[in-house]
Amino acid sequence: ELKVEQNPLFLSMQEGKNYTIYCNYSTTSDRLYWYRQDPGKSLESLFVLLSNGAVKQEGRLMASLDTKARLSTLHITAAVHDLSATYFCAVDPKRPNDYKLSFGAGTTVTVRA
Amino acid sequence: DGGITQSPKYLFRKEGQNVTLSCEQNLNHDAMYWYRQDPGQGLRLIYYSQIVNDFQKGDIAEGYSVSREKKESFPLTVTSAQKNPTAFYLCASTILGRRTESYTFGSGTRLTVV
Repeated sequence: ELKVEQNPLFLSMQEGKNYTIYCNYSTTSDRLYWYRQDPGKSLESLFVLLSNGAVKQEGRLMASLDTKARLSTLHITAAVHDLSATYFCAVDPKRPNDYKLSFGAGTTVTVRA
Repeated sequence: DGGITQSPKYLFRKEGQNVTLSCEQNLNHDAMYWYRQDPGQGLRLIYYSQIVNDFQKGDIAEGYSVSREKKESFPLTVTSAQKNPTAFYLCASTILGRRTESYTFGSGTRLTVV
């Protein structure tokens, strides 16, 4: 069974500082996804990472994937209040003709002044 | 605009009652999924379907049933056998075989047992 672990589960950020969320997974995969969820809302796609060494950036968020270490990181640069949300990583196991996502527990981010 | 429509947004179920959650997509996506989210937790897969008239159990299928009679529709029935159905239910879809494609999620249905 694929296990996806995120840490930390809760992250209190100070505005203007940098932080990293880690996502470890237990089986071979080169398909990793990051989503954002605001309270009571659905999931918004942030990044799709599809190869070892993949790096994607959007605004203050940057995600990377190391398939050998089975690790993805979501780096937040100079945190701002608008980034307060819950962030999920999800992994699609590398099985032919069987596409589905397994999610981490999520990291709840609160940005304070 | 293309997307996934889930209805209703809020649903109340009495003890012993079956209820059906609707999920419709106009993205021409091949695969559709149902996830359950409990407060403060991640998403768990209930059922998924990659082709019409075929579906597979996810990690927590007990007490749920689905059908896939049309490519664009994937309704979920929460049966009376599901003892703790109160949760947020999310439907998702994706294109198969296109590696760059993410999974698109609907806006969710919040189910409460009364």
